[in-house]
Amino acid sequence: DSGVTQTPKHLITATGQRVTLRCSPRSGDLSVYWYQQSLDQGLQFLIQYYNGEERAKGNILERFSAQQFPDLHSELNLSSLELGDSALYFCASSVLAGGSSSYNEQFFGPGTRLTVL
Amino acid sequence: DAKTTQPNSMESNEEEPVHLPCNHSTISGTDYIHWYRQLPSQGPEYVIHGLTSNVNNRMASLAIAEDRKSSTLILHRATLRDAAVYYCILRKGYGGSQGNLIFGKGTKLSVKP
Repeated sequence: DSGVTQTPKHLITATGQRVTLRCSPRSGDLSVYWYQQSLDQGLQFLIQYYNGEERAKGNILERFSAQQFPDLHSELNLSSLELGDSALYFCASSVLAGGSSSYNEQFFGPGTRLTVL
Repeated sequence: DAKTTQPNSMESNEEEPVHLPCNHSTISGTDYIHWYRQLPSQGPEYVIHGLTSNVNNRMASLAIAEDRKSSTLILHRATLRDAAVYYCILRKGYGGSQGNLIFGKGTKLSVKP
């Protein structure tokens, strides 16, 4: 158990719909990352928040957005869903924001499996 | 960002050592070498990391070439639970650098009983 929790575990929805994925980081971790894992693209970084502020953006579509709340939990919002958005979405957390101090291990949650029909 | 190259797959027998190679010929002086693994149906987990010297922890050892252009993750006695995809990742080690991980395709390790 990494200490990172994600809900829901599974989500099945239809094209055009909007969903929200939730992540609670490990106690004490200020940084939250979102990754998408699909069969054809592998594991891809989407976005990072650090202490409530957006820190870095990766290959995140404009239809997707995220935020980190004062209690440090984070939500990933996916809208106008398409079949290609079906994937595993992982949240990870770490203490620091960057790769500094040579050590900023990321702890991953169990993921949310999104199926768009 | 510097890239890493790993074999697509490797096989091992249970209770034997496993050496997982990684090439990173364009590594820069500020890049740390990190290894993560992803067990089936789970999120990735940290294994080990290093900069220049060889490193050991309870999970594995990391051997880094003198010129740092390659490294090897060593599992001393593979168990069935070690069957996973292993990712070799380079991360900048200075403050202000991006914290996200850039995953390649990794090496899928199979362990035979």
